[in-house]
Amino acid sequence: EPEVTQTPSHQVTQMGQEVILRCVPISNHLYFYWYRQILGQKVEFLVSFYNNEISEKSEIFDDQFSVERPDGSNFTLKIRSTKLEDSAMYFCASSEVNRALQYFGAGTRLSVL
Amino acid sequence: EDQVTQSPEALRLQEGESSSLNCSYTVSGLRGLFWYRQDPGKGPEFLFTLYSAGEEKEKERLKATLTKKESFLHITAPKPEDSATYLCAVANTGFQKLVFGTGTRLLVSP
Repeated sequence: EPEVTQTPSHQVTQMGQEVILRCVPISNHLYFYWYRQILGQKVEFLVSFYNNEISEKSEIFDDQFSVERPDGSNFTLKIRSTKLEDSAMYFCASSEVNRALQYFGAGTRLSVL
Repeated sequence: EDQVTQSPEALRLQEGESSSLNCSYTVSGLRGLFWYRQDPGKGPEFLFTLYSAGEEKEKERLKATLTKKESFLHITAPKPEDSATYLCAVANTGFQKLVFGTGTRLLVSP
């Protein structure tokens, strides 16, 4: 069964460092998303991406965040200068065109020290 | 602003004891309501999509229903392996994002 793959599963970084979280969406999907979940809180939308551009973003997704589809299979989330409050699970998701159903990866746990 | 409220926050059942989880929602134009299961440290796993009031979907011991204001996830004769957090989310007609509730943590004891 096709699945969304995320790497790494756990990333530990120092405050102020840049991190890149990687995702391989389901191959025939064309909409890509990033969400985050702070421990004990709800899953929150960060950004959606379609046709090589951001289609929607939340207030959380400020100038410290960026997304990229560097090739035909990967989708990345970059955090330029990490803060302690960026510590969370980050989930990548993908969906088919014109379908609201999103499939999620297993997540990357980001720990900022 | 779209909102999703789930209740109860936590639910403890004995194996075989049926119950229901509630998801109340406010959305400007419903494109879909989704139920996901989330195990600790894992990503949301898709269970059901409901699109219009009156719709019902069923899978093994789970049944999801939808009205214009809320959705229920009915669990019949649960087993310990049904223990997880159940998440409800909505998508509206104008946007791609999903708006999630805080989830219901279900624990089924043998």
